[in-house]
Amino acid sequence: EAGVAQSPRYKIIEKRQSVAFWCNPISGHATLYWYQQILGQGPKLLIQFQNNGVVDDSQLPKDRFSAERLKGVDSTLKIQPAKLEDSAVYLCASSLAPGGQRGNTIYFGEGSWLTVV
Amino acid sequence: GEDVEQSLFLSVREGDSSVINCTYTDSSSTYLYWYKQEPGAGLQLLTYIFSNMDMKQDQRLTVLLNKKDKHLSLRIADTQTGDSAIYFCAERGGATNKLIFGTGTLLAVQP
Repeated sequence: EAGVAQSPRYKIIEKRQSVAFWCNPISGHATLYWYQQILGQGPKLLIQFQNNGVVDDSQLPKDRFSAERLKGVDSTLKIQPAKLEDSAVYLCASSLAPGGQRGNTIYFGEGSWLTVV
Repeated sequence: GEDVEQSLFLSVREGDSSVINCTYTDSSSTYLYWYKQEPGAGLQLLTYIFSNMDMKQDQRLTVLLNKKDKHLSLRIADTQTGDSAIYFCAERGGATNKLIFGTGTLLAVQP
């Protein structure tokens, strides 16, 4: 079974530039997540989609970050304009369904590493 | 609010047991998880425990949950060099039902 795919794996940009990350979840997974992991910290949820609708975006800095999942499958996370503190790994994850169903496993991609200089 | 804390670093010798500890604040957590992250890789789910359980064993892994003290631990028996990684504790449930991660514990296994 194919896992969560993300691209690009690595990106270096200058501050104030823009960047976009793409995610393809596991086939059939209705719930998609974007997490931000700053070096030395645990991942922090940015946004959660259920199919193509947003369930939770309370920690998404909406002045510069945007995300969409137009057809309920692939998703794109955009940062514009980037700041130095946006340097992090952006992890995409997916699960069959949201919520606390029994062991509802969240599967993570390998992440997109962003460095803002 | 929800908070999950872990010690930053643990060093053990190959063949010894490793115990990684985690404390959380949300008493309404439903599930508690342990994830492993190797360098340059994503997060791999190792195991999880439901909040009404005290212990779960899965091969070399033993999870202990003390719900009264809000303390979770992961024991790795016969630790191998391939176990060297960052281990994240995470809790889920409560008001937001989000997966809240700890800061991670770097496990270094000395040959």
